Amino acid sequence: DQQVKQNSPSLSVQEGRISILNCDYTNSMFDYFLWYKKYPAEGPTFLISISSIKDKNEDGRFTVFLNKSAKHLSLHIVPSQPGDSAVYFCAASAQGGSEKLVFGKGTKLTVNP
Amino acid sequence: DVKVTQSSRYLVKRTGEKVFLECVQDMDHENMFWYRQDPGLGLRLIYFSYDVKMKEKGDIPEGYSVSREKKERFSLILESASTNQTSMYLCASRGRQPSYNSPLHFGNGTRLTVT
Repeated sequence: DQQVKQNSPSLSVQEGRISILNCDYTNSMFDYFLWYKKYPAEGPTFLISISSIKDKNEDGRFTVFLNKSAKHLSLHIVPSQPGDSAVYFCAASAQGGSEKLVFGKGTKLTVNP
Repeated sequence: DVKVTQSSRYLVKRTGEKVFLECVQDMDHENMFWYRQDPGLGLRLIYFSYDVKMKEKGDIPEGYSVSREKKERFSLILESASTNQTSMYLCASRGRQPSYNSPLHFGNGTRLTVT
């Protein structure tokens, strides 16, 4: 049973446009959500996070939106740059539960010059 | 900056060999994790440890064991390597409290090929 779902395996956008990556979750106990970026042959790097007490968190070109009623979050990248081309993983955890993060399967973003 | 170091970037082993993957972190983190990443399957948790000598099974522990004798070091052991364990293995660490400023920090991964 997949608790964190990224239903789009890949996404292609033009440089300068907006990239929107989506993530759905099923466990209502999740209250902390993160996005990681991963280049080939490297470990994932933390990008941005959001707690369930917020519905938006912004860091430069990256904004994460959380819709708790829909159990949905999205990552917006504006403007997209070729260097943003990578695999993006959504992850979630629950305070008071175990320490582990649950990851989605990832979305491969390609930003075309 | 947190540094998580995995001892090997690439490993090639034969079926049936015992394989050790080593991971060291320098931030005095209590929690350490081993994931494997496979195309189309994302990151799957193998084992994690929340303290020295403590361990818990993740989602896919079969065929693996772990060792945490010191706080900074977490080892993944493949008792008898098989070809379906060919994968990218990622070690990560995290501080004790899952605060909102406490993401996982990953190493660069070990690409293991079992022939």
